[in-house]
Amino acid sequence: ETGVTQTPRHLVMGMTNKKSLKCEQHLGHNAMYWYKQSAKKPLELMFVYNFKEQTENNSVPSRFSPECPNSSHLFLHLHTLQPEDSALYLCASSQVVASNNEQFFGPGTRLTVL
Amino acid sequence: EDQVTQSPEALRLQEGESSSLSCSYTVSGLRGLFWYRQDPGKGPEFLFTLYSAGEEKEKERLKATLTKKESFLHITAPKPEDSATYLCAVRSGTASKLTFGTGTRLQVTL
Repeated sequence: ETGVTQTPRHLVMGMTNKKSLKCEQHLGHNAMYWYKQSAKKPLELMFVYNFKEQTENNSVPSRFSPECPNSSHLFLHLHTLQPEDSALYLCASSQVVASNNEQFFGPGTRLTVL
Repeated sequence: EDQVTQSPEALRLQEGESSSLSCSYTVSGLRGLFWYRQDPGKGPEFLFTLYSAGEEKEKERLKATLTKKESFLHITAPKPEDSATYLCAVRSGTASKLTFGTGTRLQVTL
């Protein structure tokens, strides 16, 4: 266990559905991240939050909407997704957004869009 | 733009057969090179951070080294439980993002 939990672990949704992914970290960190991992592709950074403030949006489509109510919780709200959005969505946290801080990952949510 | 290339894409070893994984990178001002291990159905697990050429770090059967253009993950006398995908990532300048490679899928057989 890394101290980062994600729910649900698996999610199947239709293109017209609205769903949310949840991430919680128990490490006392102040930075949280969303990544997308697709087969045969490198992990892609989606969003970065530092002390609850979004500091990076890596050109992510608006059908993905992040929310960070506090430093321990991070959500990813999903609506009108496309089949190509099917992937493993990983949450990570680090002490702060800095070059010498390792990121610790959760187990991911396997998302399938029908 | 930062780039990370890992090779080989897949590697099959017999138990006890030592080998090395490569991570070549192109960055403007390396601030850290990270190695992670990822098991199927799980998130990446942090292994090492290297900051400057010549630096080495070890953990059990794993040893990571760094040059100005490449990092190696040496696996000595691997065991089946070392089977996993090994990911390399870099951070450069003041960027918060990690740029990842596509990974090396390692299988160690008896």
